[in-house]
Amino acid sequence: ETGVTQTPRHLVMGMTNKKSLKCEQHLGHNAMYWYKQSAKKPLELMFVYNFKEQTENNSVPSRFSPECPNSSHLFLHLHTLQPEDSALYLCASSQESLGQVDTYEQYFGPGTRLTVT
Amino acid sequence: DAKTTQPNSMESNEEEPVHLPCNHSTISGTDYIHWYRQLPSQGPEYVIHGLTSNVNNRMASLAIAEDRKSSTLILHRATLRDAAVYYCILRDVDAGGTSYGKLTFGQGTILTVHP
Repeated sequence: ETGVTQTPRHLVMGMTNKKSLKCEQHLGHNAMYWYKQSAKKPLELMFVYNFKEQTENNSVPSRFSPECPNSSHLFLHLHTLQPEDSALYLCASSQESLGQVDTYEQYFGPGTRLTVT
Repeated sequence: DAKTTQPNSMESNEEEPVHLPCNHSTISGTDYIHWYRQLPSQGPEYVIHGLTSNVNNRMASLAIAEDRKSSTLILHRATLRDAAVYYCILRDVDAGGTSYGKLTFGQGTILTVHP
């Protein structure tokens, strides 16, 4: 596997279900991100993890719970979601370095298409 | 991150050059200009970035105005595979600030390439 992978690619869940999205990066990066892309809306940053520490939570409801057990893996745990949470969830990674200002290229996975019924 | 303004959509013919404009009149001296694109059914991918000087890579060229209040992404010969949404993003270089690692996407420009 190369780059950033996400599983599953498609997920349908009921509002009372609990499910998890998985992201894995094979690039040796130290920062990982969750983004949400709803229909007709720009990508929205949800969470940022730098060096396994959560450094940003963009006012995301508590029904979304991220987990970063190591620098290569990122999870998004979902519970009691609403239909408006249906969207494409994208994971990304990058190599961040304090004091290094130029190379902030983020690599994105293909996304998980989530439908909440 | 400072705001950018892009046209909603543009069209091009295959094999012709494409100039995608971006206005960023409130850009600060420490903002880098980044371009990403998102092909249908895929996650965004990095295209190019720059600070003051024009930049070239294998995918595209980035022309930055002298006052840095606008920039243009140039695809030298558009192909059908270049049809995508193109995002122009300003990225603060302050690694100690809250913009560290953060990309703020706008609506982007939908590029249609005709055969």
